[in-house]
This record gives sequence, structure tokens and C-alpha cells, in this order.
Amino acid sequence: DQQVKQNSPSLSVQEGRISILNCDYTNSMFDYFLWYKKYPAEGPTFLISISSIKDKNEDGRFTVFLNKSAKHLSLHIVPSQPGDSAVYFCAAVGGAQKLVFGQGTRLTINP
Amino acid sequence: DVKVTQSSRYLVKRTGEKVFLECVQDMDHENMFWYRQDPGLGLRLIYFSYDVKMKEKGDIPEGYSVSREKKERFSLILESASTNQTSMYLCASSSLWLAGVRTYNEQFFGPGTRLTVL
Repeated sequence: DQQVKQNSPSLSVQEGRISILNCDYTNSMFDYFLWYKKYPAEGPTFLISISSIKDKNEDGRFTVFLNKSAKHLSLHIVPSQPGDSAVYFCAAVGGAQKLVFGQGTRLTINP
Repeated sequence: DVKVTQSSRYLVKRTGEKVFLECVQDMDHENMFWYRQDPGLGLRLIYFSYDVKMKEKGDIPEGYSVSREKKERFSLILESASTNQTSMYLCASSSLWLAGVRTYNEQFFGPGTRLTVL
């Protein structure tokens, strides 16, 4: 049973435009969410997070939005750059310290 | 600079072999984790450990065991490797999340070990 879902396996965006990656979750007990970025042959690296007491968190070109009523979060990257091409994982904090990951979305930024 | 290292980047083993995957972190983190990453399934937690000699099952512990004899080292053991254990294995560590403090301590990941079982 996939508690965190990323329904788009891949996304292609033109350089300079906005990239929007989506994530849905089913467990209303989740109260902290993160996005990780993964390049091939490397481990995932933390990108940005959001607590359930907020609906938006911004860090430079990256913004995460949380809609608790819809159990939905999204990651916006603007403007998109070629170096943003990677696999992006959405994750939720379940029990203490445990992360529940989505399936990942492969983002490709085209020049 | 924080670092999580894994003993091998690529490993090829035969069905039935006992396999050891080693992970070492240099950040004095209390928590360590083992995940496997498979296409279409994301990262799934196999086992984790909050302290030396402590371990807890994750979501998919079957066919695996772990060992944590020292704080910095967390080993994943495949007692008898099978072809369905062919996967990318990722180790991570994080500092202790204090009870009652509503924050989250980032997990730092190693580069991964791609294991192929023939």
C-alpha cells in the first residue's frame, strides 16, 4: 500500500520555465514532508522540507506547497536549469525518524 | 563535510551466497537506515537502528538482517541471496530526533551499492 504517491514517473520542461512536481499522500498522521533529489550513481540529497503547520516554504528557486485538506504537496522550481535534471523523491515522516518515500519523478530540463 | 560511505559501488553475487553490505558514517549520528531502491517503487526501508546493538524492522525486512556493533557502522546481511534481491541499496544516517521537539533531522545518504544476484 503506497502511502506516498508520485503519479508522474517523468516530466520534461524547457530551460527557464517552471517545473512542477506533484506528490499525494494518504496518511493524515504525516506531519512533515521533504523533497530529495537524486543524480545517477549518487545517493539522494535533501532539497527542501515543510512542516504541516505551514502551507508554503521557499528556498531560492525551490518552493514547496502543502495542501493538507487535499493531502497533496508540490515542488516548484523556477527558473528550471539543466542541472536540475534528476530524479526527485517526495517523502513523509511517519513514526519518529522514519521516512516514507514516493516512487520518484524523473525531471529532464531541455535546453 | 558530512560523509556516509558504502563498501562497494557494484557487487555481483550468486544465488544462495551470503552477502554483506557495509555502511560507515563519520557524523557521530545515532540513527542509521538501510533502504532499497527499485524502479517504480521508490525507496523502501529495510531496517533501521537508533543506537548500537539496537535494530528495528522497516517495511520490507524479509530475507535481510542487520548488525550494528559500533555507532559509526551499520551492516546489511543477505543470509541467502536471491535474484529478487537484485537492487540498489542505500544507507543513510541522521542525528537523534529529540522526543517532543517537532522538527526533523535530515537523513544523509551514501552513494549506494548496486547489487546483482545471478
